[in-house]
Amino acid sequence: EADIYQTPRYLVIGTGKKITLECSQTMGHDKMYWYQQDPGMELHLIHYSYGVNSTEKGDLSSESTVSRIRTEHFPLTLESARPSHTSQYLCASSGTSGKVAIYEQYFGPGTRLTVT
Amino acid sequence: AQSVTQLDSHVSVSEGTPVLLRCNYSSSYSPSLFWYVQHPNKGLQLLLKYTSAATLVKGINGFEAEFKKSETSFHLTKPSAHMSDAAEYFCVVTVSGGSYIPTFGRGTSLIVHP
Repeated sequence: EADIYQTPRYLVIGTGKKITLECSQTMGHDKMYWYQQDPGMELHLIHYSYGVNSTEKGDLSSESTVSRIRTEHFPLTLESARPSHTSQYLCASSGTSGKVAIYEQYFGPGTRLTVT
Repeated sequence: AQSVTQLDSHVSVSEGTPVLLRCNYSSSYSPSLFWYVQHPNKGLQLLLKYTSAATLVKGINGFEAEFKKSETSFHLTKPSAHMSDAAEYFCVVTVSGGSYIPTFGRGTSLIVHP
């Protein structure tokens, strides 16, 4: 079944630790996105990718970095976690059908990160 | 440039009564419009989409939306609310032939009273 996965679902970690949030999709989508969302609040785009070896920063400045070495995998890394990074992180993907772009996004379940 | 305005941050209805969540957009080109729903501690799920076909779009769980170009609106409706509809709803616009970066509204929290 085509899907998009995020691990871990919940993470509590101390200040200064390096963390990687995983995101994988099985739909062969070329475009992938990372959003940051505080509880009950709007989504903020922090990173996106048009395809392998393509990464761009989003509207919200973030201290995180991303990589896109494989089509299906789009991990997000924080080199040194801080309490201000406490939030929910949502991964999404979108693709094409033949030569036609499909604009709707498919979202993972999210990772809720708490930095103490 | 594109933008989305969700006119209500919260909407409160009684179970069994109609739901109306309002969304206005602006776009320099032909827009694709979407409504997503987010239940607590979950990711977003696509409810319905408009991509230049029929202006009245039917989605999952009895929701529908009507694209009105003259009013630049894409309001979400449901004839009869159910308790399980309580969630956050996001209106989204993407411009055809653009950067594929969707613009999200701030969200509307739907509260359903028994």
